[in-house]
Amino acid sequence: QPVLTQPSSHSASSGASVRLTCMLSSGFSVGDFWIRWYQQKPGNPPRYLLYYHSDSDKGQGSGVPSRFSGSNDASANAGILRISGLQPEDEADYYCGTWHSNSKTLVFGGGTKLTVL
Amino acid sequence: QVQLVESGGGVVQPGRSLGLSCAASGFTFSTYGMHWVRQAPGKGLEWVALISSDGSNKYYVDSMKGRFTISRDNSQNTLYLQMNSLRAEDTAVYYCAKDSHDYGGNLDYWGQGTLVTVSS
Repeated sequence: QPVLTQPSSHSASSGASVRLTCMLSSGFSVGDFWIRWYQQKPGNPPRYLLYYHSDSDKGQGSGVPSRFSGSNDASANAGILRISGLQPEDEADYYCGTWHSNSKTLVFGGGTKLTVL
Repeated sequence: QVQLVESGGGVVQPGRSLGLSCAASGFTFSTYGMHWVRQAPGKGLEWVALISSDGSNKYYVDSMKGRFTISRDNSQNTLYLQMNSLRAEDTAVYYCAKDSHDYGGNLDYWGQGTLVTVSS
């Protein structure tokens, strides 16, 4: 099944925009997958943010602000989570995940710890 | 509103068994696939298993096949995870999560988790 690789950490200033990446392993194309994004704050369960497959097939979790959005970077073979207008409460761990239908398994990336400066 | 409440965690000796439960409410339980996901202390998320809405299809991560069994009782709106031959590396918070479809990997609601500690 695919391996999802995320940077272990990322930092940005309050008010800025960030792009968190989720790279698919060789042999798998990001355009073939539905990438989901989750936010986890310390001591809390993960929270579903959104999924992205294409501009015509994407979805936002219930109550998730529109400043969280998804996209793909085909050149990097990566799913992207964009957070605009960073707020202090966005400081959290962010995980990507995807369902691999051939192997019937769900895989998560290792997570990115986002620090808001 | 959707609620998922896990129970059954605790301290268990290596080699022993433990069963977890997840009580669901606020949605039509029998319509959706359900997952177990675990998180070792200080580590990332690890998917454990998925069961389809009617319980006829079950899928597991390779490392847990044969030791863990997922099941559900749609009449009781409850999801289960039976864990056998537990090892120290199974120590984790175990979350149940609802899929937004029968199965597709969109985990749109999560419980608060239950901690399983495998230690002698």
